[in-house]
Amino acid sequence: DGGITQSPKYLFRKEGQNVTLSCEQNLNHDAMYWYRQDPGQGLRLIYYSQIVNDFQKGDIAEGYSVSREKKESFPLTVTSAQKNPTAFYLCASGLAGQETQYFGPGTRLLVL
Amino acid sequence: GEDVEQSLFLSVREGDSSVINCTYTDSSSTYLYWYKQEPGAGLQLLTYIFSNMDMKQDQRLTVLLNKKDKHLSLRIADTQTGDSAIYFCAESMRMDSSYKLIFGSGTRLLVRP
Repeated sequence: DGGITQSPKYLFRKEGQNVTLSCEQNLNHDAMYWYRQDPGQGLRLIYYSQIVNDFQKGDIAEGYSVSREKKESFPLTVTSAQKNPTAFYLCASGLAGQETQYFGPGTRLLVL
Repeated sequence: GEDVEQSLFLSVREGDSSVINCTYTDSSSTYLYWYKQEPGAGLQLLTYIFSNMDMKQDQRLTVLLNKKDKHLSLRIADTQTGDSAIYFCAESMRMDSSYKLIFGSGTRLLVRP
């Protein structure tokens, strides 16, 4: 069953804690993306990766970090430097050099 | 600049047609997209249109593109209660060797029985 999976569905973060959101795809897509969605707003790009072991900052990368050790996986870490992390986080993937992106089900991050 | 504008809310009666409008700014966008988001879920790609087309029809969905006015619309025929969701318009924008999607804030469609 091909698709994009994100886990967990809900994640709680304490003050000063780093948390990692998982994104996996079995669509054989080279490109992967992380977006943040705040209530009543569109999506904003955090980081993207076109190929394994390479990634670039998007529009709102501060307070976040990523890795791309495998083609299938693009985890996002929300660090303690991100002062307003409460949001819905969406991972997407697509074919290299092509514009269409397909989205996972999302992870909702809440701060305790 | 990068800006995609949509109206916030639309309410229609079941069985009527819905029309969701969008304006965008980047005239170099190759593709324009419509995504659907149901409560608590990710974005589902509904349809897209290539920038050299004026219209695309896909079952109950019709996309109209006016490139001169940078206006995109999504028409849903025979709207059903299951169509109630938030609809996002997005344009693609080139960045280095890749593309990013610029999203509007979404239009919440409410279908009344």
